[in-house]
Amino acid sequence: SQKIEQNSEALNIQEGKTATLTCNYTNYSPAYLQWYRQDPGRGPVFLLLIRENEKEKRKERLKVTFDTTLKQSLFHITASQPADSATYLCALAGGYQKVTFGIGTKLQVIP
Amino acid sequence: NAGVTQTPKFQVLKTGQSMTLQCAQDMNHEYMSWYRQDPGMGLRLIHYSVGAGITDQGEVPNGYNVSRSTTEDFPLRLLSAAPSQTSVYFCASSYNPGPSYGYTFGSGTRLTVV
Repeated sequence: SQKIEQNSEALNIQEGKTATLTCNYTNYSPAYLQWYRQDPGRGPVFLLLIRENEKEKRKERLKVTFDTTLKQSLFHITASQPADSATYLCALAGGYQKVTFGIGTKLQVIP
Repeated sequence: NAGVTQTPKFQVLKTGQSMTLQCAQDMNHEYMSWYRQDPGMGLRLIHYSVGAGITDQGEVPNGYNVSRSTTEDFPLRLLSAAPSQTSVYFCASSYNPGPSYGYTFGSGTRLTVV
């Protein structure tokens, strides 16, 4: 069955460092991969989308890579700030409306 | 403010009761969907709609009904609430059904069934 794996354990990093979150998937051939941010008690907020034929996408301090051979996406936040603390969800989209979400990784940026 | 509005924010139901979770968006999005989020399970798709008058089932549709009479509204009905439906429910919308656009989510409804 299709499976998305994100580090279920929290990731703690020092302010100013680069945070790297991992999204692995199996039994899936997604055409798109999306990343969302979710704060406690709030709905997810869309951050970035990357297509299967793109290796890397950037938006301000965010960078996403997509390796269809390794079946993995990496999500980087450079110069991290305490305000970046949140849970980050990856979502895979194979076809029409079929978006599947991972359980998310909680990031804590320590001042 | 443009976006997805969900009501109520919190609800407690007794087993067997029915209720409707409301979702409205003012972005003229064609695609709308309902997810539930449970600890350790991630977001799971309940029902979705690609336009007014068109709905379909997602991954976990049992116990829920939807309808889409207008582009703006997509209510979710719980027919006979069960404790297993205790969850946080999110409504999401997108410009079109394709996955090339990100979803806009509402702030959620936290439902407890006792």
